[in-house]
Parts: sequence; C-alpha cells; structure tokens
Amino acid sequence: GAGVSQTPSNKVTEKGKYVELRCDPISGHTALYWYRQSLGQGPEFLIYFQGTGAADDSGLPNDRFFAVRPEGSVSTLKIQRTERGDSAVYLCASSVDGSLGYTFGSGTRLTVV
Amino acid sequence: GENVEQHPSTLSVQEGDSAVIKCTYSDSASNYFPWYKQELGKGPQLIIDIRSNVGEKKDQRIAVTLNKTAKHFSLHITETQPEDSAVYFCAARRQGGSEKLVFGKGTKLTVNP
Repeated sequence: GAGVSQTPSNKVTEKGKYVELRCDPISGHTALYWYRQSLGQGPEFLIYFQGTGAADDSGLPNDRFFAVRPEGSVSTLKIQRTERGDSAVYLCASSVDGSLGYTFGSGTRLTVV
Repeated sequence: GENVEQHPSTLSVQEGDSAVIKCTYSDSASNYFPWYKQELGKGPQLIIDIRSNVGEKKDQRIAVTLNKTAKHFSLHITETQPEDSAVYFCAARRQGGSEKLVFGKGTKLTVNP
C-alpha cells in the first residue's frame, strides 16, 4: 500500500483482557518497528523486526507483550492480561532496510478500562 | 543507554518568524539524528535528518545543525506558517546498534497568524 496501515485505529478493552494490534507495512519494506507513545511523550521503542525475525526486542516492557511477523510483512503486537498502564498509542513504522528514515502509521489508540 | 533531551517543550511564534528547537544526546556513538513532525491524531512524519559526517543540512525552510563535540543538534524553521503548527520530535540512533530511535519528549509549536 501507499503507507503504513494500522488496525484498529481505536481499541477499548477491559483490564485483564487480551488484545492484538495489526500493522501492514509499506510493500517491500523489510524493517518493521513498534513504538508506544504515552500522552505528552515521545515514542518509546518496543521491538524491531528485520524480515521475519525480531532483531531487537529489548523495549518490550514485560512478558505480557509479544510481537510476531511470520511472513516478513504484516506484524501483530499481542498484549496479554492488559493493565490500565498499557493505555497508549501504539505506533508501527517501516523502512526499506533499516538504514533509512522510518515511515510511521497513524497508530492504534489503546484504552484499558 | 541513550538519553535525548529536547527544549523548549512549547514554543509560540508569529507567522513569518523563525523557530528553533534544540536537542542534546548522551551517547557519543549516536550517528543519525532525524526530526519528526506530528499532527493531532496522526503518526510522526519524517521532515529532515542528518548524519554525523555533516554539520548542517537544509531543505527549503527547514534546516538542521549538528555539533558532535557538544552532542547537540537543532531544528530551524524559517518564515513559519500556521500549517507548521504541530509537535516536533528529535531522535537519535546509535551506530552499530539496532535500528531503534530514542526520541525527545517533543516541542509543541504554535504559529500565530
């Protein structure tokens, strides 16, 4: 597609539930990133994929967070047993090969109530 | 790890004036410094970037300067227009690390007509 697509754009879930957030990167981009942005803050790195493998997952806050990219294109960020502190905008970005600037999607706003 | 400080947090200018946003970074191994513009409800958009082998880069009304010795870099916007109003983020990336960016906390720029 023309840009990075993230779905859903908004998600409200109850504390303790499981959620999946989807990212469709720009076609042909091998590098994919997930960031989390809290209100009034800059994006914070979560995980970076090069192809199908997670090249750096050092930003995942704990084992409730997991991400996959099984075919090297679409990625899913999975959050188990959601907590109110997980509420944020989750941003996905892609780049041609990781060495050039990112293109971000519009994000998924997650609200845990 | 890398730490990026950004100032000011808010900036208000009159249309036609210049705006300057400054960032400092802590990791001397950082070698790539992009700037992003984020409008309400959208993902960050790359507007300009600079690599550590140059001191200044210009693109129409936007310029970025880098002082590696002092570990700071700045965004300069000349002849500001109301559509420049947005939140601007600086970021830094470490050479040889993963491709993750460390972002500043952002500057909310308001250009008054």
